[in-house]
Amino acid sequence: ETGVTQTPRHLVMGMTNKKSLKCEQHLGHNAMYWYKQSAKKPLELMFVYSLEERVENNSVPSRFSPECPNSSHLFLHLHTLQPEDSALYLCASSQGTGLAGSYEQYFGPGTRLTVT
Amino acid sequence: ILNVEQSPQSLHVQEGDSTNFTCSFPSSNFYALHWYRWETAKSPEALFVMTLNGDEKKKGRISATLNTKEGYSYLYIKGSQPEDSATYLCAFAGNQFYFGTGTSLTVIP
Repeated sequence: ETGVTQTPRHLVMGMTNKKSLKCEQHLGHNAMYWYKQSAKKPLELMFVYSLEERVENNSVPSRFSPECPNSSHLFLHLHTLQPEDSALYLCASSQGTGLAGSYEQYFGPGTRLTVT
Repeated sequence: ILNVEQSPQSLHVQEGDSTNFTCSFPSSNFYALHWYRWETAKSPEALFVMTLNGDEKKKGRISATLNTKEGYSYLYIKGSQPEDSATYLCAFAGNQFYFGTGTSLTVIP
């Protein structure tokens, strides 16, 4: 089983839709992350969960709502998004807890989101 | 928002050439510096995590150095191969975690 999986791989949604992105890690890690990759911009850290507790929220609009029901699963719930939210959303996990620090991160393949 | 800068933005080299890129980051509140390789249509893959000033790490033909006092890290690739073609990202871990925009490497056979 691949270390970090994400579904769906591609998603097109209207601005009034509600959808969720799912991430699952099979590495026994304690920390999970959501990143956003917009065109021509660096990877932006959105949320960090450590042992299922949110430890980082980088001023992300409330239309993005993360959920971490256990240390293996991470969701990103989306509602009333804007076209500028179209991007690649990457999930990652790491062994260590807390902010990335000295633990390398293992990334999933990403969800390519298009908001119309 | 902190500035994590990578140069050059893109690079084309011939197969067999050696090359290097730079990552510049703030020298204060340093905790770790990460390097990742991101091939097209794949996930970013960790290369190195360095925490100590003067650290040098090596994985095959790829190596990296770290200078936390002046705020830079170099990534070296010796004898570039076409399969090294990818975007190389660095990330600074301090009070926050910030990625650079990457260096896109193309190795021409």
